Amino acid sequence: QKEVEQNSGPLSVPEGAIASLNCTYSDRVSQSFFWYRQYSGKSPELIMSIYSNGDKEDGRFTAQLNKASQYVSLLIRDSQPSDSATYLCAVNGVTGGGNKLTFGTGTQLKVEL
Amino acid sequence: DVKVTQSSRYLVKRTGEKVFLECVQDMDHENMFWYRQDPGLGLRLIYFSYDVKMKEKGDIPEGYSVSREKKERFSLILESASTNQTSMYLCASRSYGETQYFGPGTRLLVL
Repeated sequence: QKEVEQNSGPLSVPEGAIASLNCTYSDRVSQSFFWYRQYSGKSPELIMSIYSNGDKEDGRFTAQLNKASQYVSLLIRDSQPSDSATYLCAVNGVTGGGNKLTFGTGTQLKVEL
Repeated sequence: DVKVTQSSRYLVKRTGEKVFLECVQDMDHENMFWYRQDPGLGLRLIYFSYDVKMKEKGDIPEGYSVSREKKERFSLILESASTNQTSMYLCASRSYGETQYFGPGTRLLVL
């Protein structure tokens, strides 16, 4: 089992719809969770971080964390073509002394006109 | 504003050359990382450093070495470049438990 799993996609949604991106992780003691967006040919940039169970909203983005189910998700409301990118889930567990993040392989999102 | 810079955006080298990739961060972060990213393989950790002169192997350290003589600078060295090291190389830094920030990346082509 991979430490952090994401569906590779592509996930296609129409413009204006809600995009739902999911991530599961195996390390039960993970403490912090991050979503990064990566455009083709560019480096990852942070979208959201979440540390406790529940929802965290920032503009059109909502991160949801359920530690009991070892599940973190990212919702993008009113999806725009500019949201088309690969979204990486990252988890800070205990590997590497807690100094490093473990990344999923990413979900490609396509927002269609 | 956190800034992570990398010495080159694009590099073309020949097989067998020694290659230096440099990364500098300006936020006094303890931890610095080197990844490579290839289509379909995601981000793979090569090496990381949690303090000056300290380093740990990541998932794919073979063929690479690193140097961290100053807190803000972390160098990746390809002792003898090979064609299978053609890739996008990403540097990152973070403080313990906090957000990780990436540099812009270096696209390396080994001929």
